[in-house]
Amino acid sequence: EDQVTQSPEALRLQEGESSSLNCSYTVSGLRGLFWYRQDPGKGPEFLFTLYSAGEEKEKERLKATLTKKESFLHITAPKPEDSATYLCAVQAANDYKLSFGAGTTVTVRA
Amino acid sequence: GAVVSQHPSWVICKSGTSVKIECRSLDFQATTMFWYRQFPKQSLMLMATSNEGSKATYEQGVEKDKFLINHASLTLSTLTVTSAHPEDSSFYICSASGTDNQPQHFGDGTRLSIL
Repeated sequence: EDQVTQSPEALRLQEGESSSLNCSYTVSGLRGLFWYRQDPGKGPEFLFTLYSAGEEKEKERLKATLTKKESFLHITAPKPEDSATYLCAVQAANDYKLSFGAGTTVTVRA
Repeated sequence: GAVVSQHPSWVICKSGTSVKIECRSLDFQATTMFWYRQFPKQSLMLMATSNEGSKATYEQGVEKDKFLINHASLTLSTLTVTSAHPEDSSFYICSASGTDNQPQHFGDGTRLSIL
C-alpha cells in the first residue's frame, strides 16, 4: 500500500526565514509526486509534479526536489501570503489515484 | 490554468434528505473525475473515481448506494449523498484530470452539515 508521510505537521516562520518541508513516500513504482497548496476552506491548488529522482521545479519562492525516497519543498524568504497547508501526494505507476500525506501547515508571521 | 467549479460551496440540511453536489471542469474535458472527503485537520481521503460514461469505482469502505456518482459528460460529475445523517457531515472535494499525464485540478469543496 502506498504511504506518504509529511513532516513537520506545523511550521511557524518569521517573514524571510527560509525552511524546508519533507515528504517521505513508499510506492510500488512512482508515476509522479505532486505538491499542492491548500488554504482554509478551499480545495488544493496544484503547485508541482515531479517524475524522477534528481528532478527539481521552481515557482516564485517555492522549489521542489525529489529523491527515490523523499521530496522536499523549500520555501525561500517566505512572505505571510505563503501561509497555507502544503500537501504532498504520490501516484503509482499502475494507477491514476493520488495518495495524500496529512500535510504541513505553514504560518508565516510578518 | 485548469479550472474546476464545485457547487454548492455550503449546504445545511435535515437528517434523511438527499444532497447533490456538482463538479464541473470549465476549460477542459475531464476524462476522469475523483471525489474526496476531508475531515478537519486531516488529509484528503479518496472516495471514488469516475470515468465519463461508465460506473464509478469506489474505494474500500465507501458505500456505493449511499454515495451515488454520475459522470454523464466530459465536463460534469455529480455526487449525491442519499438519506444523509449527521455522520455524513464533512468537506467533500472533487478533482478532474484531462489526460493520464495531467495533474488533478481541484474544486473549492462543499461543506456539508447534516442536522
